[in-house]
Amino acid sequence: QVHLVQSEAEVKKPGSSVKVSCKASGGTFSSYAISWVRQAPGQGLEWMGGIIPVLVTPKYAQKFQGRLTVTADDSTTTAYMELTNLTSDDTGMYFCARAYKPGDFYGMDVWGQGTTVIVSS
Amino acid sequence: DIQMTQSPSSLSASVGDRVTITCRASQNIRSYLNWYQQKPGKAPKILIYAATRLQSGVPSRFSGSGSETNFSLTINSLQPDDFASYYCQQTYTTPGFGPGTKVDV
Repeated sequence: QVHLVQSEAEVKKPGSSVKVSCKASGGTFSSYAISWVRQAPGQGLEWMGGIIPVLVTPKYAQKFQGRLTVTADDSTTTAYMELTNLTSDDTGMYFCARAYKPGDFYGMDVWGQGTTVIVSS
Repeated sequence: DIQMTQSPSSLSASVGDRVTITCRASQNIRSYLNWYQQKPGKAPKILIYAATRLQSGVPSRFSGSGSETNFSLTINSLQPDDFASYYCQQTYTTPGFGPGTKVDV
């Protein structure tokens, strides 16, 4: 049974960066895509980017190109999401999620518990 | 980028109703379409993957249909636990979600 555990909530100043971690346990890590999904308060789901650890090269939604970095550490089975140049619009819940089968960005059947990021001066 | 639309954006229903939510893609995505349920304060839960395949453990009252650009999620005999928001997602190219449909009483 795969389990994803995310890092704790963050409060950041505008213009700063945030890095959120997602630790996987209980299953294969390197061949399954890990995605990052954001949800602003009262809004819908937004796919930000992701990575298949064994392939190393991440994929990003165009909206986040240049501001988002997704990485993965196979040795610790942990994925990371770093978002820079934060504004109040980045306030929300950030989820990591794993694809239901290996090899590509398929639908996601295992989700982390979410990490709240608040951007405020 | 492929644009995803959903209709309706919200609907009111009663226990026992049959509910259908539609999702449209701006271009052909074959069957790379998934459906999720989300309740307030919780992570989404996948219901249907590859347009028509029921995720293990999901009640059989949920079903998905469609291909290419037009898809639907049907809930037969709505149960109290089904009042939630529902999202479609394409994974044919860079993944993206529809705007969501809220099902309430």
